[in-house]
Amino acid sequence: DARVTQTPRHKVTEMGQEVTMRCQPILGHNTVFWYRQTMMQGLELLAYFRNRAPLDDSGMPKDRFSAEMPDATLATLKIQPSEPRDSAVYFCASGPWTGGGLDSPLHFGNGTRLTVT
Amino acid sequence: AQSVTQPDIHITVSEGASLELRCNYSYGATPYLFWYVQSPGQGLQLLLKYFSGDTLVQGIKGFEAEFKRSQSSFNLRKPSVHWSDAAEYFCACGILESNFGNEKLTFGTGTRLTIIP
Repeated sequence: DARVTQTPRHKVTEMGQEVTMRCQPILGHNTVFWYRQTMMQGLELLAYFRNRAPLDDSGMPKDRFSAEMPDATLATLKIQPSEPRDSAVYFCASGPWTGGGLDSPLHFGNGTRLTVT
Repeated sequence: AQSVTQPDIHITVSEGASLELRCNYSYGATPYLFWYVQSPGQGLQLLLKYFSGDTLVQGIKGFEAEFKRSQSSFNLRKPSVHWSDAAEYFCACGILESNFGNEKLTFGTGTRLTIIP
C-alpha cells in the first residue's frame, strides 16, 4: 500500500535553531502539499508544488520558511530560525493531479510534530 | 476565497446511534467537497467526495454525505456508529483556479467525535 512518508515523526528543538522536515510523496504523484495543523488555526495550507515547481506559497511566512523539491521523490520544508509559535504538526500530502484537478484524493503522511522551546 | 465552517467542535454519540456532522461552505460556484477523517497521530484519510451528479454520495466505512446547494451544506452521516469511528473529521472544499490551472483545498476546523458505550 503506497504511502506518503514524513521524517522525522517528532522534533523538539530550541528557539533559533534550523528545522528541516522531509516528505517522500507517493511514486507517480506530481502534486505535493505542505499543511500545518494547530489547535487554534486548524489545517493551513503553507505551500504546494506541481511537477516540482512551486505553485503557491502564499500561506508560508517567507522570512523564515522555505519549501523545495530537490527531486520528484523528496519535498522539504525548512524553518530558519525556528520560533515557539512554529510548534505544530506539519503534514505533507501528495496527489496525482493533472490539469483536470481534484478528482483524485490527497494522500497524507502521518505528519511531523514540531515543538520549539 | 472559499471557506468551510464546521460549527460543532466536539460531538459525543453513543455506540450504535446515528451520526450527523455539519459542514457549510462559502463559494460562488459549486466547489468540490470532501470529508476526511484523522485518527490520533495519523494523517488524514479521504472518506468521500462530491464533484457533481447525485447529491448523495457514499463513502468508505459506511459514511455518506449529502450536498444541498440551497443550504451550502455537505453534512456527513452514518446510520450506526462504531467505537472505531472515534476520530477527528474534516470537511474540505476545493476549487479549480482556472487562470493558473491550480487546485487548492480549504479545510474546516474539524469536529472531534467521541463514542460512548
